[in-house]
Amino acid sequence: QSVLTQPPSASGTPGQRVTISCSGSDSNIGSHYVYWYQLLPGTAPKLLIYRNNQRPSGVPDRFSGSKSGTSASLAISGLRSEDEADYYCAAWDDRLRGRVFGGGTKLTVL
Amino acid sequence: EVQLVESGGGLVKPGGSLRLSCAASGFSFSTYSMNWVRQAPGKGLDWVSSISSGSGYMFYADSVKGRFTISRDNANNLLYLQMNSLRAEDTAVYYCARNDDSDQGIDYWGQGTLVTVSS
Repeated sequence: QSVLTQPPSASGTPGQRVTISCSGSDSNIGSHYVYWYQLLPGTAPKLLIYRNNQRPSGVPDRFSGSKSGTSASLAISGLRSEDEADYYCAAWDDRLRGRVFGGGTKLTVL
Repeated sequence: EVQLVESGGGLVKPGGSLRLSCAASGFSFSTYSMNWVRQAPGKGLDWVSSISSGSGYMFYADSVKGRFTISRDNANNLLYLQMNSLRAEDTAVYYCARNDDSDQGIDYWGQGTLVTVSS
């Protein structure tokens, strides 16, 4: 059972917009920045969003992040086949004194 | 270019020990906090441990506390994870990862090294 809660799966057709949610608590998302990562099979995790809503250089602006209270979300617009991957949210947790991850969301592009 | 290269993974029997290393390059290693994160087969990301830039602070997941020790050698740009009393549930790909400038989250990850605990 992960500290941050994500839906196990999401799907969309090419060109659609999909949103992945991440729910936490006051001790993690409510107090700290949220980060989002993309995992493709056999590759290292890739940073997609940092500090809630900032995109690293090289990440397309189709990816956006937001945070409100103890929840955050990742939105992907103009869905493409190469977006099919696993997505994870993460934050520091003051109560656990450690970094916590969501359980991951497998995105399927239909 | 930031590069993190892990080594030291392999097959070990339950109760055994292993030391992972991570060679860092392309950035000022001594000024960044570092982490170990693992992913068991078919499972999600699982934070293991973090260490501050000067080794003043170390944090561990409850699942490894008392068995794993994180350390670093800033003179040689190396991060370590000493793993003792290994269990089958420690089987995973272990990633070395760097905190970002805000020290709030991870920005760069290595390719990972596989640790298999099995008799």
